[in-house]
Amino acid sequence: DAGVIQSPRHEVTEMGQEVTLRCKPISGHNSLFWYRQTMMRGLELLIYFNNNVPIDDSGMPEDRFSAKMPNASFSTLKIQPSEPRDSAVYFCASSFGGLSVYGYTFGSGTRLTVV
Amino acid sequence: TQLLEQSPQFLSIQEGENLTVYCNSSSVFSSLQWYRQEPGEGPVLLVTVVTGGEVKKLKRLTFQFGDARKDSSLHITAAQTGDTGLYLCAGAAYGNKLVFGAGTILRVKS
Repeated sequence: DAGVIQSPRHEVTEMGQEVTLRCKPISGHNSLFWYRQTMMRGLELLIYFNNNVPIDDSGMPEDRFSAKMPNASFSTLKIQPSEPRDSAVYFCASSFGGLSVYGYTFGSGTRLTVV
Repeated sequence: TQLLEQSPQFLSIQEGENLTVYCNSSSVFSSLQWYRQEPGEGPVLLVTVVTGGEVKKLKRLTFQFGDARKDSSLHITAAQTGDTGLYLCAGAAYGNKLVFGAGTILRVKS
């Protein structure tokens, strides 16, 4: 298995531009999570999906952030318009059955820099 | 809000030394997980503990879940340079969400 695949690995964009981050979860996993990691705040859960349905988006910072999961093998996190304070590493993770003893499998992350 | 506090925040030791990292909360967790993260990569699961008082060993790493399921510790025996990384504890919170601690940065020098 190739694991959780995220793209791009790095993104540098100008303030005000739209940014789209992509994630392909592990085949067979039915839960998908988007996290953001910064030095100041650590790992924060933004949103998670179960069977392609958003279950909890209470961690989404504001309306500029949106996430979709059109099918079991693909999800996007979009920021529009982007701001410098959105600079962080964004991780996608997947699991089978939500929280399980097997934990989450994380992708390698997308490092976003907004200038 | 369920919070996990990790200590120490940063640890720099010589190869061969022993160390312990702590993860504490005022909340009870149904389970707790430990992850290790290396630069440029996502966290990788090391272990899950479920039962209060549970002890799990993974080679030189020993994980313990507190009796009240509010705290956990990770002990590394004879640390190696390959143990260098960010160690994160994560607790299963309400709604099946994982809440992460801020992490402990471990540096093992040769």
